[in-house]
Amino acid sequence: RKEVEQDPGPFNVPEGATVAFNCTYSNSASQSFFWYRQDCRKEPKLLMSVYSSGNEDGRFTAQLNRASQYISLLIRDSKLSDSATYLCALNSGGSNYKLTFGKGTLLTVNP
Amino acid sequence: GAVVSQHPSWVICKSGTSVKIECRSLDFQATTMFWYRQFPKQSLMLMATSNEGSKATYEQGVEKDKFLINHASLTLSTLTVTSAHPEDSSFYICSASQGNREKLFFGSGTQLSVL
Repeated sequence: RKEVEQDPGPFNVPEGATVAFNCTYSNSASQSFFWYRQDCRKEPKLLMSVYSSGNEDGRFTAQLNRASQYISLLIRDSKLSDSATYLCALNSGGSNYKLTFGKGTLLTVNP
Repeated sequence: GAVVSQHPSWVICKSGTSVKIECRSLDFQATTMFWYRQFPKQSLMLMATSNEGSKATYEQGVEKDKFLINHASLTLSTLTVTSAHPEDSSFYICSASQGNREKLFFGSGTQLSVL
């Protein structure tokens, strides 16, 4: 089983739609979780960290379910500019912050 | 915020040549840097962890003699793809951690095309 598995996508949604991404992970010792956004042939940019209590940043909400070992990202009222690939990532612990990334899900928001 | 500079942004080379990619932390000291590779429509795959002043730690399946990593200072790590072949064509990205802060800063990536 892969360490991180992510919805394959791609997702094509109209502007204003709500879209959700999920990732499952296999290592129960994983400590830190993140969502990144990556535009084509660019570096990934941190979107938000994910906490068990859930966290929200504007239209974006991230949640972590340790019992079921998955994390989610919800985008509300999607904009054209949200079109990108969204990658989940986790750090399995240790002091060097080595991240393991999901495969990524391509989102296209259409006018 | 912290900035990581990576260059070149893109390189085209002939098969058999070596290519060096540099990753610099501009405003912080990076004791650890990471090198990732990303093939089209695939995820970022960690190749190696680069520690200043010591040998890099390579992930399983990554040839250390082919992908030479040097982290000679706290602000610079280099990845050299030796005797590059077309199958090495990929997007290479470095990242650096800033001390004990749980955040990674990424370089802008290098698109390598081997003819």
